[in-house]
Amino acid sequence: QKEVEQNSGPLSVPEGAIASLNCTYSDRGSQSFFWYRQYSGKSPELIMFIYSNGDKEDGRFTAQLNKASQYVSLLIRDSQPSDSATYLCAVMMDSSYKLIFGSGTRLLVRP
Amino acid sequence: SAVISQKPSRDICQRGTSLTIQCQVDSQVTMMFWYRQQPGQSLTLIATANQGSEATYESGFVIDKFPISRPNLTFSTLTVSNMSPEDSSIYLCSVEGQGNNEQFFGPGTRLTVL
Repeated sequence: QKEVEQNSGPLSVPEGAIASLNCTYSDRGSQSFFWYRQYSGKSPELIMFIYSNGDKEDGRFTAQLNKASQYVSLLIRDSQPSDSATYLCAVMMDSSYKLIFGSGTRLLVRP
Repeated sequence: SAVISQKPSRDICQRGTSLTIQCQVDSQVTMMFWYRQQPGQSLTLIATANQGSEATYESGFVIDKFPISRPNLTFSTLTVSNMSPEDSSIYLCSVEGQGNNEQFFGPGTRLTVL
């Protein structure tokens, strides 16, 4: 079983819709959770981080964490074509600062 | 967040040679990390580089193949030694943020081994 799992996609949504990206993790002791966006040919860019159960909102982005279900998600409201990218979920499993990445979900926002 | 640069941005190398990749940060950071992203894949941590101590390597990565230097708090190098085509990847350095456990990535070095 992979430590951090994501659906590879592509997830295709129309412009203006809500895109929902999901991630599950195996280590129940994981402490910190991150979402990165990676455009083709570019390096990952941090979008959100979340540590506590519940929702965390930042502009059009909302991260949701459910530690009991070992599940973290990213919602993108009012999706734009410029949001088309691969979204990487990363989990920090202890205090070592080591990040474990999922394989990423490719998002396509159709104009 | 810190400004991170990497050199070279890309290179094409011959099998059996070595390449040293540099990572420079515009502020002092305690922890620097080196990742590999193989074509179409996600990121895999190679090692953690702390100033003043030996790098800590992840399972599957060894110092003889990927020697790392960390001479000060703003600079690190990763060498890919005795390269083979399987080493063709993007190599990324990252640094810790300012207290939220986040990491920020440099622009990456795209390596092709022929």
